[in-house]
Amino acid sequence: GAVVSQHPSRVICKSGTSVKIECRSLDFQATTMFWYRQFPKQSLMLMATSNEGSKATYEQGVEKDKFLINHASLTLSTLTVTSAHPEDSSFYICSARDRGQLANTGELFFGEGSRLTVL
Amino acid sequence: DAKTTQPPSMDCAEGRAANLPCNHSTISGNEYVYWYRQIHSQGPQYIIHGLKNNETNEMASLIITEDRKSSTLILPHATLRDTAVYYCIVRPLTGANSKLTFGKGITLSVRP
Repeated sequence: GAVVSQHPSRVICKSGTSVKIECRSLDFQATTMFWYRQFPKQSLMLMATSNEGSKATYEQGVEKDKFLINHASLTLSTLTVTSAHPEDSSFYICSARDRGQLANTGELFFGEGSRLTVL
Repeated sequence: DAKTTQPPSMDCAEGRAANLPCNHSTISGNEYVYWYRQIHSQGPQYIIHGLKNNETNEMASLIITEDRKSSTLILPHATLRDTAVYYCIVRPLTGANSKLTFGKGITLSVRP
């Protein structure tokens, strides 16, 4: 299957700093990428939908100024957690839809996840 | 809101078939049934999907009832590495509502 890579896989930062997480589709072009957050022992919660070349669409309750999303190319989307606080500590996961497979499977490919710990 | 209900957990013996049920009684005509799984501390992994016919691939089989209100994911010969949370999701193939909304899933524990 197609590969989605996230970087970094783990990051520890101090409270008040900003952290950027990258999501790359390695062998396909993704016009749409999705960002999820997952707290321990809970399910994945969709945060936002990132569309290449346009503004992201945020789910209700997710602060767009807190979680900045940029989808500048067909293979890269970034999530920046600004002024991070301990409650932002979570597992952040991205997924991407293969533009070439869109009509066939609608399958979404997921990254390995990025674990953020804010001290 | 997730449109599916799954039991919270189940277990099975290694080498035996694991049958994971899912109810989706409000599924719409254009919605597919997708199954993903998440092994601890990893991103979800696509398993299989279907509309109304039964489907099989190298990982699993998907059995969808004729009225499409429920389905069963079958892992024919479960291994210890199949221990994971399995998510059953219904969504259209494309379009604005085709984002994946995860419910709580079912935790499958495969015992030696």
